[in-house]
Amino acid sequence: KAGVTQTPRYLIKTRGQQVTLSCSPISGHRSVSWYQQTPGQGLQFLFEYFSETQRNKGNFPGRFSGRQFSNSRSEMNVSTLELGDSALYLCASSLFGAGIETQYFGPGTRLLVL
Amino acid sequence: QQQVKQSPQSLIVQKGGISIINCAYENTAFDYFPWYQQFPGKGPALLIAIRPDVSEKKEGRFTISFNKSAKQFSLHIMDSQPGDSATYFCAASMTGANNLFFGTGTRLTVIP
Repeated sequence: KAGVTQTPRYLIKTRGQQVTLSCSPISGHRSVSWYQQTPGQGLQFLFEYFSETQRNKGNFPGRFSGRQFSNSRSEMNVSTLELGDSALYLCASSLFGAGIETQYFGPGTRLLVL
Repeated sequence: QQQVKQSPQSLIVQKGGISIINCAYENTAFDYFPWYQQFPGKGPALLIAIRPDVSEKKEGRFTISFNKSAKQFSLHIMDSQPGDSATYFCAASMTGANNLFFGTGTRLTVIP
């Protein structure tokens, strides 16, 4: 079974631009979560989608948004990029998002904001 | 506010030795405690996980010890190998909320 895939793997943007990252979950998984990983703040939860609905959201500004499609694929968007948005963005999928089941992570998209 | 505290930040162990990483949490609603292993350039991968109804779980060379009253849990890696050199994260979540709260990570180096 293929794992979680994320595209693109690397991105370079400039301040003020916007970016869209894509995540394809493991086949059959309906929950997709997004995390931001930085050296200073570590791994932080952004949001979770299940059946095209955002169920849970972390403490990030509204510039960070996402969506999920009927095939469970998900995208996250960051608008008006800031230098501090430079990070590794990780997507994780699980069957039902029950909170007590394994989340499988993709390799991440490394975003550099100049 | 760090919901899960992890120590040490880095750890150097000789091949064959025991690596021990500790975590503590405050929120008693947490009921799932996974450990993730991350290699450079890769996403975190689940190593082992425990629920609070057991005090210990062992899988191969990896053991989680869980102390519910102290709100602490730890990862023990027996017979540590150079291939275990990676960053380890403890995490916690609760039933019905699929967001993991991660510790700050421990960079483990196993010296041959």
